[in-house]
Amino acid sequence: AQTVTQSQPEMSVQEAETVTLSCTYDTSENNYYLFWYKQPPSRQMILVIRQEAYKQQNATENRFSVNFQKAAKSFSLKISDSQLGDTAMYFCAFMKHNTDKLIFGTGTRLQVFP
Amino acid sequence: DTAVSQTPKYLVTQMGNDKSIKCEQNLGHDTMYWYKQDSKKFLKIMFSYNNKELIINETVPNRFSPKSPDKAHLNLHINSLELGDSAVYFCASSQVTGQGNYGYTFGSGTRLTVV
Repeated sequence: AQTVTQSQPEMSVQEAETVTLSCTYDTSENNYYLFWYKQPPSRQMILVIRQEAYKQQNATENRFSVNFQKAAKSFSLKISDSQLGDTAMYFCAFMKHNTDKLIFGTGTRLQVFP
Repeated sequence: DTAVSQTPKYLVTQMGNDKSIKCEQNLGHDTMYWYKQDSKKFLKIMFSYNNKELIINETVPNRFSPKSPDKAHLNLHINSLELGDSAVYFCASSQVTGQGNYGYTFGSGTRLTVV
C-alpha cells in the first residue's frame, strides 16, 4: 500500500523569505501523480501544484515549485517570497495512475510571520 | 458559481440521530468522493462514485451510506450517529482526461459535531 509522509508537523517563515516543505512517499508503482494541497483557516482545500511521475521536469506555479526526486521518492514544495496569505496547512498527496484515489500525508502547518 | 457545494456547512446533533450531508458539483466531472478529516487534520477517503456507480468503499461502518442520484450529486447519510463521527466531511469531484487525473476540486466541508 502507498503511504505519504510529511515529517514536519509545523514550520514558520518570515514574510518574503523562502520555505521548503518536505514530503516522501512509498510506492512500488512507476506511474503516478503527486499533489500539494493548501488548507487555510477557512477550511477550503485548494490545489497548489501537480506533478506527473513520468515527467522529469519539476512543476512550477508562480511562487510555488516542487523538487521531485523519483528515485528517492521525495516531493518537496518550495514557496518563494512567502506571503501572509500562505499561512495554512499543506498536504502532500499521492495518486496511482488509473485510479482516482488520493492518499494524503498528515500535513505541515505553515505560519508566515510579518 | 460554486464548483462543488456542500450543505450544511455546520451540523450539530445528538448521539443516535440520523443525518444527511448533500453535495453537488457543476463541473461536469464524472467522479465524486467523500473524505473524512479527523481532529488531527488527517484526510481519509470514504467513498467514490463514478457516474453513479460505487467505485471505492473503504472500511467505513455500515451506518454510513452514500447515494448518488446522478453524476452531479453525491449525498452522505449517517445513521445512529456516534461521538467518534465528529469530524469535517469533504465532498470532492475530479475528471480523468488523456493526461490523467488533474486532482480533486473540493467542497468547503461540513463540520459535524455529535454531542
